[in-house]
Amino acid sequence: AQSVTQPDIHITVSEGASLELRCNYSYGATPYLFWYVQSPGQGLQLLLKYFSGDTLVQGIKGFEAEFKRSQSSFNLRKPSVHWSDAAEYFCAVVLTGGGNKLTFGTGTQLKVEL
Amino acid sequence: KAGVTQTPRYLIKTRGQQVTLSCSPISGHRSVSWYQQTPGQGLQFLFEYFSETQRNKGNFPGRFSGRQFSNSRSEMNVSTLELGDSALYLCASSLRAGSYQETQYFGPGTRLLVL
Repeated sequence: AQSVTQPDIHITVSEGASLELRCNYSYGATPYLFWYVQSPGQGLQLLLKYFSGDTLVQGIKGFEAEFKRSQSSFNLRKPSVHWSDAAEYFCAVVLTGGGNKLTFGTGTQLKVEL
Repeated sequence: KAGVTQTPRYLIKTRGQQVTLSCSPISGHRSVSWYQQTPGQGLQFLFEYFSETQRNKGNFPGRFSGRQFSNSRSEMNVSTLELGDSALYLCASSLRAGSYQETQYFGPGTRLLVL
Protein backbone atom coordinates (compact mmCIF):
# COMPACT_ATOMS: atom_id res chain seq x y z
CA ALA A 1 0.00 0.00 0.00
CA GLN A 2 1.13 3.54 -0.67
CA SER A 3 2.27 5.26 2.50
CA VAL A 4 4.42 7.88 4.14
CA THR A 5 6.29 6.80 7.24
CA GLN A 6 7.89 8.89 9.93
CA PRO A 7 9.53 6.32 12.19
CA ASP A 8 10.22 8.65 15.10
CA ILE A 9 7.19 9.81 17.06
CA HIS A 10 9.22 11.90 19.50
CA ILE A 11 12.72 13.29 19.28
CA THR A 12 14.56 15.34 21.90
CA VAL A 13 17.67 17.32 21.08
CA SER A 14 19.71 19.92 22.92
CA GLU A 15 19.72 23.46 21.65
CA GLY A 16 22.62 23.91 19.27
CA ALA A 17 22.77 20.24 18.35
CA SER A 18 22.12 18.96 14.86
CA LEU A 19 18.79 17.44 13.87
CA GLU A 20 17.65 14.83 11.41
CA LEU A 21 14.02 13.80 11.06
CA ARG A 22 13.33 10.74 8.98
CA CYS A 23 10.71 10.26 6.30
CA ASN A 24 10.22 7.23 4.06
CA TYR A 25 7.66 6.78 1.34
CA SER A 26 6.30 3.77 -0.41
CA TYR A 27 5.11 4.59 -3.91
CA GLY A 28 5.72 3.13 -7.32
CA ALA A 29 6.87 6.39 -8.82
CA THR A 30 8.68 9.34 -7.34
CA PRO A 31 6.15 11.39 -5.44
CA TYR A 32 6.38 15.08 -4.83
CA LEU A 33 7.65 15.62 -1.33
CA PHE A 34 7.08 18.23 1.32
CA TRP A 35 7.95 19.00 4.91
CA TYR A 36 5.55 21.02 7.04
CA VAL A 37 5.87 22.27 10.61
CA GLN A 38 3.04 22.79 13.07
CA SER A 39 3.49 24.82 16.24
CA PRO A 40 1.00 24.36 19.08
CA GLY A 41 -2.37 25.82 18.23
CA GLN A 42 -1.25 26.74 14.75
CA GLY A 43 -1.84 25.54 11.23
CA LEU A 44 0.82 24.00 9.05
CA GLN A 45 3.70 25.96 7.57
CA LEU A 46 5.64 24.73 4.55
CA LEU A 47 9.35 24.31 5.25
CA LEU A 48 10.47 23.00 1.88
CA LYS A 49 9.46 20.90 -1.09
CA TYR A 50 11.03 18.64 -3.70
CA PHE A 51 9.74 18.08 -7.19
CA SER A 52 12.78 17.25 -9.29
CA GLY A 53 16.36 18.26 -9.95
CA ASP A 54 18.89 18.80 -7.20
CA THR A 55 18.22 16.24 -4.51
CA LEU A 56 19.31 18.57 -1.72
CA VAL A 57 16.72 21.26 -1.16
CA GLN A 58 16.94 24.28 1.06
CA GLY A 59 14.00 25.60 3.00
CA ILE A 60 13.07 28.27 5.45
CA LYS A 61 14.38 28.62 9.00
CA GLY A 62 17.69 26.96 8.09
CA PHE A 63 16.20 23.57 7.25
CA GLU A 64 17.26 21.37 4.37
CA ALA A 65 16.19 17.96 3.11
CA GLU A 66 17.78 15.36 0.90
CA PHE A 67 15.87 13.12 -1.47
CA LYS A 68 17.39 9.65 -1.81
CA ARG A 69 15.60 7.58 -4.41
CA SER A 70 17.52 4.40 -3.57
CA GLN A 71 16.32 4.60 0.03
CA SER A 72 12.88 6.06 -0.69
CA SER A 73 13.70 8.72 1.86
CA PHE A 74 13.36 12.45 2.26
CA ASN A 75 15.00 13.30 5.57
CA LEU A 76 14.87 16.75 7.09
CA ARG A 77 18.01 18.24 8.64
CA LYS A 78 19.14 21.29 10.49
CA PRO A 79 22.76 21.83 11.59
CA SER A 80 21.95 23.73 14.79
CA VAL A 81 18.57 23.60 16.48
CA HIS A 82 17.06 26.58 18.24
CA TRP A 83 14.57 26.36 21.11
CA SER A 84 11.95 27.91 18.83
CA ASP A 85 12.16 24.85 16.54
CA ALA A 86 10.20 22.80 19.06
CA ALA A 87 7.08 21.78 17.15
CA GLU A 88 5.58 18.87 15.26
CA TYR A 89 6.99 18.09 11.85
CA PHE A 90 5.11 16.39 9.06
CA CYS A 91 6.39 14.82 5.90
CA ALA A 92 3.86 14.77 3.06
CA VAL A 93 3.56 13.66 -0.53
CA VAL A 94 1.46 14.50 -3.53
CA LEU A 95 1.14 11.96 -6.29
CA THR A 96 1.07 12.91 -9.93
CA GLY A 97 -2.55 12.98 -10.94
CA GLY A 98 -3.55 13.42 -7.34
CA GLY A 99 -4.35 17.07 -7.65
CA ASN A 100 -3.49 19.00 -4.55
CA LYS A 101 -4.18 16.11 -2.21
CA LEU A 102 -1.47 15.87 0.41
CA THR A 103 -0.88 12.55 2.13
CA PHE A 104 0.83 13.09 5.45
CA GLY A 105 3.03 11.00 7.67
CA THR A 106 2.12 10.61 11.32
CA GLY A 107 4.41 13.40 12.42
CA THR A 108 7.47 13.74 14.64
CA GLN A 109 7.21 15.79 17.81
CA LEU A 110 10.45 17.67 18.41
CA LYS A 111 11.44 18.77 21.90
CA VAL A 112 14.41 21.06 22.38
CA GLU A 113 16.27 21.02 25.67
CA LEU A 114 17.93 24.23 26.74
CA LYS B 1 -1.46 39.89 2.06
CA ALA B 2 -3.75 38.28 4.60
CA GLY B 3 -3.39 34.56 5.16
CA VAL B 4 -6.00 31.86 5.18
CA THR B 5 -8.67 32.58 7.76
CA GLN B 6 -10.97 30.06 9.37
CA THR B 7 -14.02 30.71 11.46
CA PRO B 8 -14.89 29.92 14.09
CA ARG B 9 -11.65 28.95 15.77
CA TYR B 10 -13.31 26.84 18.44
CA LEU B 11 -16.64 25.10 18.50
CA ILE B 12 -18.47 22.82 20.90
CA LYS B 13 -21.39 20.74 19.68
CA THR B 14 -23.33 17.75 20.91
CA ARG B 15 -23.85 14.45 19.17
CA GLY B 16 -26.47 14.51 16.46
CA GLN B 17 -26.09 18.20 15.72
CA GLN B 18 -24.67 19.59 12.54
CA VAL B 19 -21.89 22.13 12.10
CA THR B 20 -20.66 24.45 9.38
CA LEU B 21 -17.07 25.66 9.22
CA SER B 22 -15.86 28.49 7.04
CA CYS B 23 -12.62 29.14 5.22
CA SER B 24 -11.51 32.27 3.40
CA PRO B 25 -8.50 31.62 1.16
CA ILE B 26 -5.65 33.98 0.45
CA SER B 27 -6.74 36.67 -1.97
CA GLY B 28 -6.38 35.41 -5.52
CA HIS B 29 -6.28 31.76 -4.54
CA ARG B 30 -8.97 29.69 -6.18
CA SER B 31 -8.35 26.25 -4.76
CA VAL B 32 -9.38 25.26 -1.26
CA SER B 33 -8.71 21.93 0.42
CA TRP B 34 -9.91 20.64 3.76
CA TYR B 35 -8.14 18.29 6.15
CA GLN B 36 -9.10 16.64 9.41
CA GLN B 37 -6.47 16.22 12.11
CA THR B 38 -6.99 13.83 15.03
CA PRO B 39 -4.53 12.22 17.44
CA GLY B 40 -5.53 8.76 16.28
CA GLN B 41 -5.76 9.17 12.51
CA GLY B 42 -3.41 12.10 11.97
CA LEU B 43 -3.94 14.43 9.06
CA GLN B 44 -6.44 13.19 6.51
CA PHE B 45 -7.63 14.80 3.31
CA LEU B 46 -11.34 15.57 3.15
CA PHE B 47 -11.92 17.32 -0.17
CA GLU B 48 -10.67 19.92 -2.60
CA TYR B 49 -12.62 22.61 -4.38
CA PHE B 50 -11.77 24.75 -7.35
CA SER B 51 -14.05 27.13 -9.21
CA GLU B 52 -17.01 26.01 -7.10
CA THR B 53 -16.50 22.38 -8.13
CA GLN B 54 -15.32 19.51 -5.99
CA ARG B 55 -12.18 18.21 -7.66
CA ASN B 56 -11.06 15.54 -5.27
CA LYS B 57 -12.54 13.72 -2.30
CA GLY B 58 -11.06 11.74 0.55
CA ASN B 59 -12.42 8.64 2.22
CA PHE B 60 -15.00 10.15 4.55
CA PRO B 61 -18.69 9.35 4.95
CA GLY B 62 -21.36 11.38 3.23
CA ARG B 63 -22.03 13.28 6.47
CA PHE B 64 -19.04 15.39 5.47
CA SER B 65 -19.77 17.80 2.67
CA GLY B 66 -18.48 21.06 1.39
CA ARG B 67 -18.99 23.78 -1.11
CA GLN B 68 -17.19 26.72 -2.58
CA PHE B 69 -18.60 30.09 -3.48
CA SER B 70 -17.83 32.31 -6.44
CA ASN B 71 -15.45 34.38 -4.30
CA SER B 72 -13.50 31.16 -3.53
CA ARG B 73 -14.59 31.08 0.09
CA SER B 74 -15.44 27.58 1.19
CA GLU B 75 -17.59 25.95 3.80
CA MET B 76 -17.64 22.43 5.07
CA ASN B 77 -20.57 20.86 6.82
CA VAL B 78 -20.75 17.86 9.07
CA SER B 79 -24.20 16.51 9.78
CA THR B 80 -25.28 14.16 12.55
CA LEU B 81 -22.13 14.73 14.55
CA GLU B 82 -20.42 11.82 16.24
CA LEU B 83 -17.93 11.87 19.07
CA GLY B 84 -15.22 10.78 16.64
CA ASP B 85 -15.69 13.95 14.63
CA SER B 86 -13.90 15.89 17.35
CA ALA B 87 -10.83 17.18 15.58
CA LEU B 88 -8.90 20.12 14.26
CA TYR B 89 -10.21 20.97 10.80
CA LEU B 90 -7.65 22.65 8.61
CA CYS B 91 -8.24 24.54 5.43
CA ALA B 92 -5.54 25.15 2.84
CA SER B 93 -5.57 27.38 -0.20
CA SER B 94 -3.51 27.51 -3.36
CA LEU B 95 -3.59 29.40 -6.60
CA ARG B 96 -4.70 26.54 -8.78
CA ALA B 97 -6.02 23.05 -8.49
CA GLY B 98 -4.66 19.86 -9.91
CA SER B 99 -1.06 20.96 -9.82
CA TYR B 100 1.20 19.14 -7.44
CA GLN B 101 3.67 22.01 -7.68
CA GLU B 102 1.30 24.38 -6.02
CA THR B 103 2.23 25.41 -2.51
CA GLN B 104 -0.70 25.05 -0.16
CA TYR B 105 -1.06 27.60 2.61
CA PHE B 106 -2.84 26.46 5.72
CA GLY B 107 -5.10 28.35 8.04
CA PRO B 108 -4.96 28.03 11.84
CA GLY B 109 -7.81 25.55 11.90
CA THR B 110 -11.14 25.17 13.64
CA ARG B 111 -11.09 22.99 16.70
CA LEU B 112 -14.36 21.09 17.00
CA LEU B 113 -15.32 19.28 20.18
CA VAL B 114 -18.33 16.98 20.06
CA LEU B 115 -19.86 16.08 23.42
